[in-house]
Amino acid sequence: GAVVSQHPSWVICKSGTSVKIECRSLDFQATTMFWYRQFPKQSLMLMATSNEGSKATYEQGVEKDKFLINHASLTLSTLTVTSAHPEDSSFYICSARGGVTYGYTFGSGTRLTVV
Amino acid sequence: DAKTTQPNSMESNEEEPVHLPCNHSTISGTDYIHWYRQLPSQGPEYVIHGLTSNVNNRMASLAIAEDRKSSTLILHRATLRDAAVYYCILKEANQGGKLIFGQGTELSVKP
Repeated sequence: GAVVSQHPSWVICKSGTSVKIECRSLDFQATTMFWYRQFPKQSLMLMATSNEGSKATYEQGVEKDKFLINHASLTLSTLTVTSAHPEDSSFYICSARGGVTYGYTFGSGTRLTVV
Repeated sequence: DAKTTQPNSMESNEEEPVHLPCNHSTISGTDYIHWYRQLPSQGPEYVIHGLTSNVNNRMASLAIAEDRKSSTLILHRATLRDAAVYYCILKEANQGGKLIFGQGTELSVKP
């Protein structure tokens, strides 16, 4: 079945540094991927839609200069959290549509802790 | 996006059926009803989806009310591994549409 690989699964970084999270579709091509953020005991919040070969579409209230999204190929999208601060600590999840005739496939998530 | 309403939490006993309700009174004619679940510390996984007719797959069944204003996800025999947050999501039929998650129902399963 369709698999979306997300890396790293967890990362700890110092405040002010940048962190890159990768999302790969392993056995299918994904022209569109989605990035979510989830705080403890809360639901997933959609941050942006990543389109291969074009600029990402950000949801209202999400800073595009802080959360840089690149979707350079049909199997890879990256999310870079720039100048991370403790309030950016969260569980980041990507998803892609494709690989099956219905439904969306999600990555296993990246837990970011900014200290 | 049309809104869904689900109970915050439910409890079930292992090996018994579980009926997870979802209300979506403002559903439009082109909205599909999707269910996803999220196990602890993991990304969500697809469970089932439907439009008007009841649907069955290896994971669950989806019962959709005749007026489509509510639906029920049915797990026929709950196992401990079914403990998760279950999300009922309405999604338009267009191919590239995004999934917007509500609060979901946290299902706990007792041995």
